[in-house]
Amino acid sequence: DIQMTQSPSSVSASVGDRVTITCRASEGISRWLAWYQQKPGKAPNLLIYAASSLQSGVPSRFSGSGSGTDFTLTISSLQPEDFATYYCQQTNSFPLTFGPGTKVDIK
Amino acid sequence: QVTLKESGPVLVKPTETLTLTCTVSGFSLRDSGLGVNWIRQPPGKALEWLAHIFSNGEKSYSTSLKSRLTISKDNSKSQVVLSMTNVDPVDTATYYCARIRGDYRSDFWGQGTLVTVSS
Repeated sequence: DIQMTQSPSSVSASVGDRVTITCRASEGISRWLAWYQQKPGKAPNLLIYAASSLQSGVPSRFSGSGSGTDFTLTISSLQPEDFATYYCQQTNSFPLTFGPGTKVDIK
Repeated sequence: QVTLKESGPVLVKPTETLTLTCTVSGFSLRDSGLGVNWIRQPPGKALEWLAHIFSNGEKSYSTSLKSRLTISKDNSKSQVVLSMTNVDPVDTATYYCARIRGDYRSDFWGQGTLVTVSS
């Protein structure tokens, strides 16, 4: 199975900050990576797919980049509604696997 | 609009079989390039992918749970069923179903259902 890691595990930030989260795959996955946002008590919400494609309805302050084994999710200017946990998922091959998550909380 | 809704028992005893149903609307389980997958999340922990089934019947399972899981679908009822045998308290989690597309992204999710395994 492809193992996914994320860093940092948590980050404290302020409204307006630029936040970057890193995800690494244990083997090359081309650009087959998705990012999800999850708020407490809610289902995950798809933000980015194919490493850098913005899912319909997602604000443009979210962006993704990377290929191969290393990927990043960037929030250009953190908004109050962005405080949540973010998960990466490799969509290269089954079984699909998620990263351990990165919690973004208020500084 | 696309919706998915999980249903099943709230409480299951250890060693029993857990059966969960995902009822979908807004798309058909016959639609080419679409399918449903199941993901779970133990309280306070990360997401764990469990299984998928596509419209053409293709399916796969989590490596660690493969021997205990079965996924199936009933196109006429717009339902996908996941069964997990021999449950244990570590299987206590919120179970989600989500629509999966041909590029394997999960674009619509159900609200989730919390299943507790306890005697």
